[in-house]
Amino acid sequence: NAGVTQTPKFQVLKTGQSMTLQCAQDMNHEYMSWYRQDPGMGLRLIHYSVGAGITDQGEVPNGYNVSRSTTEDFPLRLLSAAPSQTSVYFCASSPPPWAETNYGYTFGSGTRLTVV
Amino acid sequence: AQTVTQSQPEMSVQEAETVTLSCTYDTSESDYYLFWYKQPPSRQMILVIRQEAYKQQNATENRFSVNFQKAAKSFSLKISDSQLGDAAMYFCAYTGSEKLVFGKGTKLTVNP
Repeated sequence: NAGVTQTPKFQVLKTGQSMTLQCAQDMNHEYMSWYRQDPGMGLRLIHYSVGAGITDQGEVPNGYNVSRSTTEDFPLRLLSAAPSQTSVYFCASSPPPWAETNYGYTFGSGTRLTVV
Repeated sequence: AQTVTQSQPEMSVQEAETVTLSCTYDTSESDYYLFWYKQPPSRQMILVIRQEAYKQQNATENRFSVNFQKAAKSFSLKISDSQLGDAAMYFCAYTGSEKLVFGKGTKLTVNP
């Protein structure tokens, strides 16, 4: 099925460990984004990309790195996990607004990350 | 920077009744898109309805409709004939082009 695939769905890390959250989409979307969702805070933008080789920071980028070497993949790296990074992480993709009549963002199913 | 404000952290409605969720936004752009997303307990983000700012006509999708007031920067969602399956978190979101910005959400409870 076409869509956005996030792995893993659940992860427990120890403080200071590193890991990469994977995100892949098969819709040839140019735009991809990472969000974190915390209770009462909505979804906050971490990093986003408008195409391969182009990334930019969102609202809460500290502690996270991204790269976009292909259109399909947009991994999110935590270099040294901290308890404050305990959250649910969502990846999303979309075409540019002018590219489709039914424009909208498609979301992955999320990754629940706990840092102890 | 664009901001989205949802002033109602929680709302409740009786089954079969109508409820309106509020959303305001701040932007200096003239062309943009607004969305309402639904997040049930499964945590999947589901697009409910979209509105293009240059279209004056309010968007509708079956029981869901919006009241888009561009000058007031207001974008409310009306759910008619509420059903138990409508219970969820609802997020209002804005994009000018590259970034999608969300409000903090409204938790909707539907009472039988």
